[in-house]
This record gives sequence, C-alpha cells and structure tokens, in this order.
Amino acid sequence: GNSVTQMEGPVTLSEEAFLTINCTYTATGYPSLFWYVQYPGEGLQLLLKATKADDKGSNKGFEATYRKETTSFHLEKGSVQVSDSAVYFCALSETGGFKTIFGAGTRLFVKA
Amino acid sequence: DAGVIQSPRHEVTEMGQEVTLRCKPISGHNSLFWYRQTMMRGLELLIYFNNNVPIDDSGMPEDRFSAKMPNASFSTLKIQPSEPRDSAVYFCASTPSTSGGSYEQYFGPGTRLTVT
Repeated sequence: GNSVTQMEGPVTLSEEAFLTINCTYTATGYPSLFWYVQYPGEGLQLLLKATKADDKGSNKGFEATYRKETTSFHLEKGSVQVSDSAVYFCALSETGGFKTIFGAGTRLFVKA
Repeated sequence: DAGVIQSPRHEVTEMGQEVTLRCKPISGHNSLFWYRQTMMRGLELLIYFNNNVPIDDSGMPEDRFSAKMPNASFSTLKIQPSEPRDSAVYFCASTPSTSGGSYEQYFGPGTRLTVT
C-alpha cells in the first residue's frame, strides 16, 4: 500500500543554519505531495504542496521538489529561524481519492 | 472563513464516562476526517466521511468509538465508555471537493482529552 517515510527527529539546528528533512514515498499512480507543519498546541497546517513530477512547492522560505525518479520530496530551507521550531509532516494524497497518508513527523528545534 | 471548529478544546473525564467531541468543518468542504495524535503512535486516521457518508472506519480502535455526521456542517466522535488509554489529542480536518486535483486538508485546533 501507499506509505510515506521521513527522517527521524529531533533535528536540532542553530539559527541561520541550512535545513533538510528527507521524505520518500511509495505510491501507485501519480499522488500529490505535501508538507504540513504543526506548531505547539495547534493543528497541522499546509506548508507547501506539489501535484506532479518536477513541480517545486515553496512557502515562507521552505521548498521541496517532487522527484518521481527517486520517489522523494525533501524539505529544505536555506536559513532557519527560532520561529521555525515545530513538527513537520510529509504526506501524500492518493490518486483519485480523498485520503491523505502522513509520515511520522520530524521535530525541529532551532536554537538562538 | 472561521476554519474548522472543534469543541471542547480540553476535556478531562473519569474512566467509564461517555465523551463526545464535536466538529464543524469549513463551509463547502465535502470530506471530513477524524484523527488521533499521541506521542507513542503519532497521527492516526480514525474515520472519514464524504458527503456525510462514512467511507472508511477501519482506523476506529474498537466498538467503544463511534462517529456520526448528520449533516454537512456537523460531526461527532463519541467514546463510550472511555478508558485512560484514550487520552490523546483528537483532530478534525476537512477537505474541499476540488482543490486543483490535490486534496489538502484543513485541520481544526484539536481537542485534548484526558481520561483519569
């Protein structure tokens, strides 16, 4: 079945460091791919998305590229801030369906 | 738009009591999802509805859990009787019927349930 695997956390970085959170997926067809972010005490919210191969999603300095050949959708940011501390979830939306498959989440801590 | 609304935000109850969690999806959204989040198990999909009809309830842990969606603007998740292991944050999410072919989900703020 469809699945999403992302790197285990926590990831701890200093402010202004470069961030990469790896995400790979297994799916049939052509799923849409997402990154969601969850701040403490809140629900998940969409960070960015890509709907087809080679698409790049971007938002708030974060970006991820849909790589069908490597079945990956890695999240990157060039310079993290303390306010980026949160849990990040990689996810896919099944082709033609309504269900979203979420990864286990990666907690990011950014130190000042 | 007000976003997905959940109530209560916090619930503390004793083992054996009935608990009802409520959700109002975003107006016009056709699909609604209930999730449970714990440190040990992460985010789990419990059940989802499309056009008020339950489509997949395979994630509902046992018969003590039930969910209903009597109309397009309201859903409930009920636990009867509750047990300490049900303690978790319960999220409701909704999805628009079309969003460019990708089905992004809009989450509510969650209900933190503590069963003592």
